[in-house]
Amino acid sequence: QKEVEQNSGPLSVPEGAIASLNCTYSDRGSQSFFWYRQYSGKSPELIMFIYSNGDKEDGRFTAQLNKASQYVSLLIRDSQPSDSATYLCAVEGGKLIFGQGTELSVKP
Amino acid sequence: DAGVIQSPRHEVTEMGQEVTLRCKPISGHDYLFWYRQTMMRGLELLIYFNNNVPIDDSGMPEDRFSAKMPNASFSTLKIQPSEPRDSAVYFCASSWDSQKETQYFGPGTRLLVL
Repeated sequence: QKEVEQNSGPLSVPEGAIASLNCTYSDRGSQSFFWYRQYSGKSPELIMFIYSNGDKEDGRFTAQLNKASQYVSLLIRDSQPSDSATYLCAVEGGKLIFGQGTELSVKP
Repeated sequence: DAGVIQSPRHEVTEMGQEVTLRCKPISGHDYLFWYRQTMMRGLELLIYFNNNVPIDDSGMPEDRFSAKMPNASFSTLKIQPSEPRDSAVYFCASSWDSQKETQYFGPGTRLLVL
């Protein structure tokens, strides 16, 4: 059974801080990793993807991948209240396997 | 451009009734996915299609669930008979062949089975 694990949170950070969201996965053969954001009552939307070890930056978002440790993370710099949402980690293993999501709350 | 369209947005039904959920993918997308989301189990893939052909239905929970894609612009997910444990949000998503994992989700159908 392929698994993707995330801390459910909630993770609370003050506005302007760095939010760090973590994810581990069980399938060593996985090659593609994704972060989706889901606002309450809305559908998931893709915000980042990463295929190679290391960091990938897109604006205030940085995805980090360590395949040896089977670990992927998402950093959100200068967190804003509008970043408050649930962040879903997804790992490709023939099909997308989603984690349970981490709820992030950014306090003004 | 219109995104993925789902209907109905909300459905309340009684146990034993048939439920049909509908999805129109983004035009030109080759893949269509049906997901179910609950607090307990998170987001689960039920079935996905490529060029209207079902590829993997291993996530369909039981024979009460069936899905069809008669053409490139329409898919249905049917539950017959429905049970209270089927209550969830059902999402449809679609993607291009070259970027299967970059999925665009519809707004979802909130199903409540009483």
